[in-house]
Amino acid sequence: AQSVTQLGSHVSVSEGALVLLRCNYSSSVPPYLFWYVQYPNQGLQLLLKYTTGATLVKGINGFEAEFKKSETSFHLTKPSAHMSDAAEYFCAVSEGWGGAQKLVFGQGTRLTINP
Amino acid sequence: NAGVTQTPKFQVLKTGQSMTLQCAQDMNHNSMYWYRQDPGMGLRLIYYSASEGTTDKGEVPNGYNVSRLNKREFSLRLESAAPSQTSVYFCASSEPRGKGETQYFGPGTRLLVL
Repeated sequence: AQSVTQLGSHVSVSEGALVLLRCNYSSSVPPYLFWYVQYPNQGLQLLLKYTTGATLVKGINGFEAEFKKSETSFHLTKPSAHMSDAAEYFCAVSEGWGGAQKLVFGQGTRLTINP
Repeated sequence: NAGVTQTPKFQVLKTGQSMTLQCAQDMNHNSMYWYRQDPGMGLRLIYYSASEGTTDKGEVPNGYNVSRLNKREFSLRLESAAPSQTSVYFCASSEPRGKGETQYFGPGTRLLVL
């Protein structure tokens, strides 16, 4: 079965500093990988995804992630944190072929931005 | 284009009561999902429907039933609520693999079982 591990349930950075949120996965098939963001009292919104092709993917709000097969990792980065980035971030891997895309989520990382 | 909508937004139940959570999407997606979110555990899949007329169990189906009413609507029913079902419930719909794969989430239903 596929699984996702996010290192660090809480990450705190200063405004303007680098954001690095770590995600490692296990999968017996080529993975599709996702990062979602959740703002307080809202649903999840897709930040970016890797399916095939280029291993460095860019998403919304200046975030990017790199798929490293040898390290089974898909870490999320942003060069310069903004106060509006404070949220909870979820890494996910998808199971399934064709129709349904069952997502397996990590436990989430809460990002705090210090002024 | 409303995306994925859920009702109600918040509900309080007593142990043993039943209720149905409603979900609808207007993106013409074939697949729909129900997740629950608990602190420190991310989201876990309860049930999913790959297409109209089919439903399958996810990771945590015990205590729940679902109905895929039509292509737009997918409901989740708690027949006899338990305190362990206190959670935030999210419905989602998705594009198929090879055609985008993105899951779109509703705003959630907060359920408190006393």
